[in-house]
Amino acid sequence: ETGVTQTPRHLVMGMTNKKSLKCEQHLGHNAMYWYKQSAKKPLELMFVYNFKEQTENNSVPSRFSPECPNSSHLFLHLHTLQPEDSALYLCASSQGTAQDTQYFGPGTRLTVL
Amino acid sequence: EDQVTQSPEALRLQEGESSSLNCSYTVSGLRGLFWYRQDPGKGPEFLFTLYSAGEEKEKERLKATLTKKESFLHITAPKPEDSATYLCAVRSGGYNKLIFGAGTRLAVHP
Repeated sequence: ETGVTQTPRHLVMGMTNKKSLKCEQHLGHNAMYWYKQSAKKPLELMFVYNFKEQTENNSVPSRFSPECPNSSHLFLHLHTLQPEDSALYLCASSQGTAQDTQYFGPGTRLTVL
Repeated sequence: EDQVTQSPEALRLQEGESSSLNCSYTVSGLRGLFWYRQDPGKGPEFLFTLYSAGEEKEKERLKATLTKKESFLHITAPKPEDSATYLCAVRSGGYNKLIFGAGTRLAVHP
């Protein structure tokens, strides 16, 4: 595996389900990010982790819960989502959080019924 | 408030017809302007970073330029494989926080 990978690529869930999105980076980076991309809207930053520590929470509802066990892995735990949470969820990584380019994974297409 | 506006929203070109995409920005202290390309169903692919007014970068048929208020992505003699959504983002703040525009959907027809 190279670059940034995300699983699953597609996910359909009911409003009462609990599911998790997984991201893994194979670039040796120290910072990881979650973004949300809704139809015809700009990418929105959700969370930033640097060396496993959360450094940014962009006013995200508590039904989204991130977890970063190490610098290579990032999870987004989902529970009691709403239909408006349907979107493409993108993971990115960068060497650090100062001046470094962010590299994106392919995304997870989430549909909430 | 930091803001990025891209225009046009969509652009249709004939193969070989050169054009430019615009990214206007308002940010308190620019610490980098980024261009990405995004194909349907995929994540954004990094193209360029520009840091200061007057800077230019090129890659194949693409050239990115930067002024104090906007950036242009010039596409010379485009091919159908250049069809994608092009995203512009600016970096602002202490951490690596990117503010994205809504993108320009480019379609190049043979």
